[in-house]
Amino acid sequence: AQSVTQLGSHVSVSEGALVLLRCNYSSSVPPYLFWYVQYPNQGLQLLLKYTSAATLVKGINGFEAEFKKSETSFHLTKPSAHMSDAAEYFCAVSGAGSYQLTFGKGTKLSVIP
Amino acid sequence: GAVVSQHPSWVICKSGTSVKIECRSLDFQATTMFWYRQFPKQSLMLMATSNEGSKATYEQGVEKDKFLINHASLTLSTLTVTSAHPEDSSFYICSALHTREREAFFGQGTRLTVV
Repeated sequence: AQSVTQLGSHVSVSEGALVLLRCNYSSSVPPYLFWYVQYPNQGLQLLLKYTSAATLVKGINGFEAEFKKSETSFHLTKPSAHMSDAAEYFCAVSGAGSYQLTFGKGTKLSVIP
Repeated sequence: GAVVSQHPSWVICKSGTSVKIECRSLDFQATTMFWYRQFPKQSLMLMATSNEGSKATYEQGVEKDKFLINHASLTLSTLTVTSAHPEDSSFYICSALHTREREAFFGQGTRLTVV
């Protein structure tokens, strides 16, 4: 079984500041990990994914995440926040080869001008 | 990336009627599709896994007779909410599994409001 915990339901950062969204996972099998972004009343867009290759994963829009097995974490970062980054972010986990995703509760990112 | 189209994007229906939501993979074949429900300001809850040509697998607590899923072709899965009630109002999202890319692509979601 897998589960995901996202610390912080709401994160606010100033424009140009570092974005850090936290995700910890629990999995009984080697995990695949994902970060998705959702804009209001829209579906989910994949930002990046970890599938047992490089532990530092670079995604779209300048986001990246590092898989740390010892910490069971997969935190999402971006060096400099843009106003367009304001959205809901979901971390998700699946068992390797499963494709059935278990989502965290989401973190709403606000960017302050 | 691959495109998944969900239709309609929003629908309002009367209590007691049925509503069908379509999920299409436009540029790839999807043997497996997933249906999720999202309550306001909450996460996505997996409702069922839809496999082409076979019965859907429902998650615990999801009523099979209430939420009918059909996956009749490799590019189309449908979710029918039968005898809808106001408590069924929600945001429904589908995803289609692109096995070669090892990724599930999401539709844009359907906002269902039952009045």
